[in-house]
Amino acid sequence: KAGVTQTPRYLIKTRGQQVTLSCSPISGHRSVSWYQQTPGQGLQFLFEYFSETQRNKGNFPGRFSGRQFSNSRSEMNVSTLELGDSALYLCASSFLQGIYEQYFGPGTRLTVT
Amino acid sequence: SQQGEEDPQALSIQEGENATMNCSYKTSINNLQWYRQNSGRGLVHLILIRSNEREKHSGRLRVTLDTSKKSSSLLITASRAADTASYFCATDTGANSKLTFGKGITLSVRP
Repeated sequence: KAGVTQTPRYLIKTRGQQVTLSCSPISGHRSVSWYQQTPGQGLQFLFEYFSETQRNKGNFPGRFSGRQFSNSRSEMNVSTLELGDSALYLCASSFLQGIYEQYFGPGTRLTVT
Repeated sequence: SQQGEEDPQALSIQEGENATMNCSYKTSINNLQWYRQNSGRGLVHLILIRSNEREKHSGRLRVTLDTSKKSSSLLITASRAADTASYFCATDTGANSKLTFGKGITLSVRP
């Protein structure tokens, strides 16, 4: 079974731009969660999607949004990028909604200049 | 905000030795999980322990949970150089809650 895939793996953007990151979960997994990882704040939960609905949201500004498609693939979007958005963005999938063992992708390294 | 706090922040041991890492948390939890991350890559799930469990084993890993002290420990026995990684504990407070990670412990295993 293929693992969680994330595209792109690396991205460099300029302040003020917007970015869309993509995540394909493990086949059969219906829950997708997104996390931001930075050296200062560590791993922080962004949101969780299950069956195309956002089920849970972390404490991030409205510039961070996401969606999930009928095939469980998910995208997250960050608008009006700030320098502080530079981070490793991790996507994780699980079979069911809620707290179960999560399978993480390799992440997208976003650098905002 | 971080729910789990790992201790120590960094640990360096010789191959073959045991490594013990601790995690403390602030509020009552439903489950506690441990994950491993190799150098800026994705996390790998190691073990999940439920709040009504006290100890769990998986291969060379042993996890304990003390809900009265709000703490957990991860023991890696007979460590290998390949165990060099960052280790995170993560907690949740119920089925519809989010998973909250600690800041992680950097483990270095010297060959």
